[in-house]
Amino acid sequence: EAQLVESGGGFVKPGGSLRLSCAASGFSFSNAWMSWVRQAPGKGLEWVGRIRSKTDGGTTEYAATVKGRFTISRDDSKNTLFLQMSNLKTEDTAVYYCTTQLMTSVTYFDYWGQGTLVTVSS
Amino acid sequence: SYEVTQPLSVSVALGQTARVTCGGNNIGSKNVNWYQQKSGQAPVLVISRDNNRPSGIPERFSGSNSWNTATLTISRAQAGDEADYYCQVWDSSTARVVFGGGTKLTVL
Repeated sequence: EAQLVESGGGFVKPGGSLRLSCAASGFSFSNAWMSWVRQAPGKGLEWVGRIRSKTDGGTTEYAATVKGRFTISRDDSKNTLFLQMSNLKTEDTAVYYCTTQLMTSVTYFDYWGQGTLVTVSS
Repeated sequence: SYEVTQPLSVSVALGQTARVTCGGNNIGSKNVNWYQQKSGQAPVLVISRDNNRPSGIPERFSGSNSWNTATLTISRAQAGDEADYYCQVWDSSTARVVFGGGTKLTVL
């Protein structure tokens, strides 16, 4: 079964940077489209962005709230997904989940990691 | 941009049927997906593409989608079904994922 394990969360000051990682196993990572979804404390789910498989172009899409500040990348040789976050704002405080999209023709998230907490505060 | 609306809360008596709605303009033309999130846990996909149950999801969970409303139906509700439920669609006009605000299901 698919397993996703996020890491890299922590405490950072506004304007700072942080890089999250997601180690994947149990499925064909290189063929999967991957997304990050976040959840602010006590709030609902918010999609952050996704990256297609390299065979589908490896392109990325982002939510308007993070575009230009966040970058999603992948290392298929290590079955790892990344989220590089820069110019962080207090409103970026959230649990960040790594998710899979195994069916590329329809966007939904089959598997979720346990999440990693990012706290942005002065 | 496309928006979907969910009720903040739904209550259901133990053993009865719960219905959680997700409203949106012509949502019937979109694929609607549903996630269950229990307290302190990561979300779990319970319905994909309107009415498809992933492996391991009980048959008590079903979905429908027509016109301006998609519905997640939970039959014979159990205490273990208490959770937040989120609907999700893909907005092709903006190339963005859209989540509903979530519905808290309480089993009485």
